[in-house]
Amino acid sequence: GAVVSQHPSWVICKSGTSVKIECRSLDFQATTMFWYRQFPKQSLMLMATSNEGSKATYEQGVEKDKFLINHASLTLSTLTVTSAHPEDSSFYICSARPGLAVAGELFFGEGSRLTVL
Amino acid sequence: DAKTTQPPSMDCAEGRAANLPCNHSTISGNEYVYWYRQIHSQGPQYIIHGLKNNETNEMASLIITEDRKSSTLILPHATLRDTAVYYCIAKNNAGNMLTFGGGTRLMVKP
Repeated sequence: GAVVSQHPSWVICKSGTSVKIECRSLDFQATTMFWYRQFPKQSLMLMATSNEGSKATYEQGVEKDKFLINHASLTLSTLTVTSAHPEDSSFYICSARPGLAVAGELFFGEGSRLTVL
Repeated sequence: DAKTTQPPSMDCAEGRAANLPCNHSTISGNEYVYWYRQIHSQGPQYIIHGLKNNETNEMASLIITEDRKSSTLILPHATLRDTAVYYCIAKNNAGNMLTFGGGTRLMVKP
């Protein structure tokens, strides 16, 4: 199947700093990528839809100025958590779909675990 | 996308078949049933999907009732590595995003 890779897989940072997470589609081009967040023992919650060459679309309740998304190429989307606080500690997961896959068949990255001290 | 209902947790003995039910009584005619699983601290993994007919692949079988109001994912010979949260999602072909519910936490025991 298609491969989506995230980096870093885990990161620890101090409160107030910014953290960038990369999501790459390794063997296909993705005009759209999705960013999810998952708190312990909870399900995945969609944060935003990342569109190549245009602005991301954020879900209700997700602060666009705090979670900066850049989709500069067809194989890379980045999520930057700005001025991170302990409540931003979570598991962040990206996903994408190859062009020929059916609509619901998404491929997910390995996830990036953020811990803010 | 139609709402789906799954039991929060299930146990299964290693080597036995794991049958995971999903209720989607309000599913519409153009919505597929997708199954994903998430092993602890990993991203979700696609398993299988279907519309009306039963489906089988190397990972699992999907049985969809004739009225399409429910389905069952079958792992024919569960192993310890199948311990995960299994998500059933009803989705049409418009748009790409997936909405995840609570899923079923399957524990395969030796």
